[in-house]
Amino acid sequence: GAGVSQSPSNKVTEKGKDVELRCDPISGHTALYWYRQRLGQGLEFLIYFQGNSAPDKSGLPSDRFSAERTGESVSTLTIQRTQQEDSAVYLCASSQQGRYGYTFGSGTRLTVV
Amino acid sequence: DQQVKQNSPSLSVQEGRISILNCDYTNSMFDYFLWYKKYPAEGPTFLISISSIKDKNEDGRFTVFLNKSAKHLSLHIVPSQPGDSAVYFCAASARVSYGGSQGNLIFGKGTKLSVKP
Repeated sequence: GAGVSQSPSNKVTEKGKDVELRCDPISGHTALYWYRQRLGQGLEFLIYFQGNSAPDKSGLPSDRFSAERTGESVSTLTIQRTQQEDSAVYLCASSQQGRYGYTFGSGTRLTVV
Repeated sequence: DQQVKQNSPSLSVQEGRISILNCDYTNSMFDYFLWYKKYPAEGPTFLISISSIKDKNEDGRFTVFLNKSAKHLSLHIVPSQPGDSAVYFCAASARVSYGGSQGNLIFGKGTKLSVKP
């Protein structure tokens, strides 16, 4: 597609349930990033994939969070045993290697009740 | 501890005047800086960037200034238009930490700009 696609756009889940968020990057973009934005906060880095290199997971807030990416395609972010503080907009972005200026998707708004 | 700070949560400007959005950073390893614009219910979109080897970069109505000694950058929009009303995020990267690659960006909390007709 022309842009970064994220699904679902909205997700309401009960506390303690697992959720899976999906990101389809722009074709040919080797780098993929996950960020989240909690209410009133800036964008918080979660994880970064670059080609076949080991991902930079330094931003993941706890071991309940994990992400996978197969090759240079789709990525999924999984949150296990969701907590209310996980409520946020989860944004995915992709970029070409060596090119600055990510392209962001519209995000998934996660609400944990 | 925030490495990228946007101390003004909001800014209101009259159409046609200049908008100045400010950003401060603390990490001296940052060597690339970007501004993003975000409309409600959309992802941020890249606006303009500047490398630490420069002190100014201009693109149409948008100019970014970098003062490395003060660890400060600013985005100037002139003339401001109602369509510029959005949240503006400042972001920084330390490319050296990633062997010269882009790596992840550190974002500020954003400044909401309102341009009044």
